[in-house]
Amino acid sequence: QKEVEQNSGPLSVPEGAIASLNCTYSDRGSQSFFWYRQYSGKSPELIMSIYSNGDKEDGRFTAQLNKASQYVSLLIRDSQPSDSATYLCAVSRASRDDKIIFGKGTRLHILP
Amino acid sequence: GAVVSQHPSWVICKSGTSVKIECRSLDFQATTMFWYRQFPKQSLMLMATSNEGSKATYEQGVEKDKFLINHASLTLSTLTVTSAHPEDSSFYICSAASLYEQYFGPGTRLTVT
Repeated sequence: QKEVEQNSGPLSVPEGAIASLNCTYSDRGSQSFFWYRQYSGKSPELIMSIYSNGDKEDGRFTAQLNKASQYVSLLIRDSQPSDSATYLCAVSRASRDDKIIFGKGTRLHILP
Repeated sequence: GAVVSQHPSWVICKSGTSVKIECRSLDFQATTMFWYRQFPKQSLMLMATSNEGSKATYEQGVEKDKFLINHASLTLSTLTVTSAHPEDSSFYICSAASLYEQYFGPGTRLTVT
């Protein structure tokens, strides 16, 4: 069974601080890695995608990938109350039309 | 960005009836669409992969005769929950694969009474 593991949280971070979210995956054949944000009662929203080892930055978000360790992380700088949500780590074996396997998500709470 | 719509956004039906959920890619063509189900406080679980013009591929444990999927065109896939029961009450979400990524619809909340 191919799995994606995340700490369920909740992770509480003061406003303005850095939130660090982590994820491990079991399928070494995974090639595409995603972070989605999901607000309660809403559909997931893609925040970041990363395909090669290293860091990828987009605004306040930085995704990090280490395929050797089968580890993906998401850093959120200058955390805002609007960042409070559940963050889903997801992996896929290949291309855009391959199925995505989701982790259970980490609940993030930004403290005002 | 690419837009995926779902209809209806919520539906309440009586036990034993069937309900159809539509998933449309509004500004792109999607040869592949995916159907997920999410129970409260749980993650998304893939139900099936829908390919235009062919039969859907169901994940293990998902009853294909209960959850009928039709992908009749490059912009429309439908999920029909047949003989719905209260345990089918859930949040159903579709996604469509564009040239670069998958995009999710807003979801359909199904309540079976």
